[in-house]
Amino acid sequence: NAGVTQTPKFQVLKTGQSMTLQCAQDMNHNSMYWYRQDPGMGLRLIYYSASEGTTDKGEVPNGYNVSRLNKREFSLRLESAAPSQTSVYFCASSEFAPTRIRDYGYTFGSGTRLTVV
Amino acid sequence: TQLLEQSPQFLSIQEGENLTVYCNSSSVFSSLQWYRQEPGEGPVLLVTVVTGGEVKKLKRLTFQFGDARKDSSLHITAAQPGDTGLYLCAGDYNAGNMLTFGGGTRLMVKP
Repeated sequence: NAGVTQTPKFQVLKTGQSMTLQCAQDMNHNSMYWYRQDPGMGLRLIYYSASEGTTDKGEVPNGYNVSRLNKREFSLRLESAAPSQTSVYFCASSEFAPTRIRDYGYTFGSGTRLTVV
Repeated sequence: TQLLEQSPQFLSIQEGENLTVYCNSSSVFSSLQWYRQEPGEGPVLLVTVVTGGEVKKLKRLTFQFGDARKDSSLHITAAQPGDTGLYLCAGDYNAGNMLTFGGGTRLMVKP
């Protein structure tokens, strides 16, 4: 099925460890996004990529880095994990054009549940 | 930072009851979307509203966009257990640049 695939689904890290969350979409979308979801706070944008080769900071970028490897893949890296980064991480993609977002919204992956101890 | 407030945060009702949840902002939206999220899954788009005063219906769900395009509501008629989930509103402030999400309303419909 077409969509957004995230790996891994679950991860436990120790404080200070590093890891990369992977995301791939097969819908030929131009833009991709990384959000984190914490209880009562909705989804907060970490980084986004409007097109292949570009990345921009969102609302909560500190402690994260991203790579838009190609049009399909957008990875999120935690260089030195902290307990405050315990969260559920969602990758999403869309067509980067007003009418497309209005008609089709974002397509989300099923998330990565990360715990930092 | 644009702020989207959703209310109530939690709602537990019996099957067959009606309910309304709200999404409010001090800023004007270019468009607003409602998503539903089930446990262990990502949000799924329900509807997009664009024009002030617009009303859209999706079976038992009615979505309304405020005249000033600063607020929206979702009304569910005769709620069913299958409606259980987290309902998120998301505003597009920059005509397609990116979405800002509200904190969500967690709905539980008991049989």
